[in-house]
Amino acid sequence: EPEVTQTPSHQVTQMGQEVILRCVPISNHLYFYWYRQILGQKVEFLVSFYNNEISEKSEIFDDQFSVERPDGSNFTLKIRSTKLEDSAMYFCATGQGVYQPQHFGDGTRLSIL
Amino acid sequence: EDQVTQSPEALRLQEGESSSLNCSYTVSGLRGLFWYRQDPGKGPEFLFTLYSAGEEKEKERLKATLTKKESFLHITAPKPEDSATYLCAVQAGGTSYGKLTFGQGTILTVHP
Repeated sequence: EPEVTQTPSHQVTQMGQEVILRCVPISNHLYFYWYRQILGQKVEFLVSFYNNEISEKSEIFDDQFSVERPDGSNFTLKIRSTKLEDSAMYFCATGQGVYQPQHFGDGTRLSIL
Repeated sequence: EDQVTQSPEALRLQEGESSSLNCSYTVSGLRGLFWYRQDPGKGPEFLFTLYSAGEEKEKERLKATLTKKESFLHITAPKPEDSATYLCAVQAGGTSYGKLTFGQGTILTVHP
């Protein structure tokens, strides 16, 4: 069964450094999302992406965050200058249609020191 | 603002002991309600989508139902391998572009 693949599985970074989290979507999916889950808290929406544009973003997704699909396959989340509070599990999700089920990857655990 | 509340926070069952998990929601124009299963260290795994009140979906020992204010996930004769965190999420219509709003989850433990 096709699946969403995320790399790396774990990223440890010094505060203030840039990180890029990568996702390979399911091949026929057109809608892409990033969510995050801080330890012990709910899964939170960050951003949705369709047709090479951001469709919707949450208040968490400030100017330090960006997304792109640089080569038509990978979907990336960049955090420009990481903060301690960015430590969380980041999940990529993809879907065939905007109201179709979203399928999640196994996440990248981001630890900011 | 869309809100999702799940109860109980944790549920311990003996193998074969049936029960239900609850998901209460407030959303402006529900487009869909989704149930996911999450194992430790993994991403949410899609189980069901419900789109309108009265709808029911079944898969093996699981059955999901939907009313205008809540959804239930019924687990019949559970097995230890059903142990996981079960997440409920809603998707609003209108100007939403697919954003899911999640509840905090119910941690289910099934003892042999």
